[in-house]
Amino acid sequence: NAGVTQTPKFRILKIGQSMTLQCTQDMNHNYMYWYRQDPGMGLKLIYYSVGAGITDKGEVPNGYNVSRSTTEDFPLRLELAAPSQTSVYFCASSYSNPGQEATNEKLFFGSGTQLSVL
Amino acid sequence: QKEVEQNSGPLSVPEGAIASLNCTYSDRVSQSFFWYRQYSGKSPELIMSIYSNGDKEDGRFTAQLNKASQYVSLLIRDSQPSDSATYLCAVPDNYGQNFVFGPGTRLSVLP
Repeated sequence: NAGVTQTPKFRILKIGQSMTLQCTQDMNHNYMYWYRQDPGMGLKLIYYSVGAGITDKGEVPNGYNVSRSTTEDFPLRLELAAPSQTSVYFCASSYSNPGQEATNEKLFFGSGTQLSVL
Repeated sequence: QKEVEQNSGPLSVPEGAIASLNCTYSDRVSQSFFWYRQYSGKSPELIMSIYSNGDKEDGRFTAQLNKASQYVSLLIRDSQPSDSATYLCAVPDNYGQNFVFGPGTRLSVLP
């Protein structure tokens, strides 16, 4: 089973360049997320989507854009790369949202993208 | 914004000992709590979830939840070198739409 697939695994960008991080899942999950993880830190939410055509900002959305044209795909776009965007990026998905009630809902993560902006 | 705090690491324990990892959260709304393990250079994976006060055991792992104190912990019994990883605590955000992660605690189990 493929699960959540991210590409590329590694990328080096120059300041001002643009790129798209690809994420696709084959579990028919409604919810998809993009997190970034800086060294020694936890995961910070960039954007998330509750279904095709619906996206919303997370905690650190500046400098990024997303789209969700299909249930399977949730690409993350960096328009003008800056050194502050050097990080590891994780895409994740879940069948539903965690909600405010007791739940065992869990996140399925992709393998991550190591991005360096020089 | 909900705050999730974890005990600062790194935490080193000898092989066979009990490792204790702690997590506190900033509000009383949260109902579900999750522990993810992340090996160096890998993505996080869920190891435990808990939503009832008290203990939940799964093999060598025990999650303990105290909602009144806004505290959840993870105990790893008979720690093994293969348990060396960063452990991330996660709770739903204020609207239940996504997950908020703590900064993680790095655990080293020494042979």
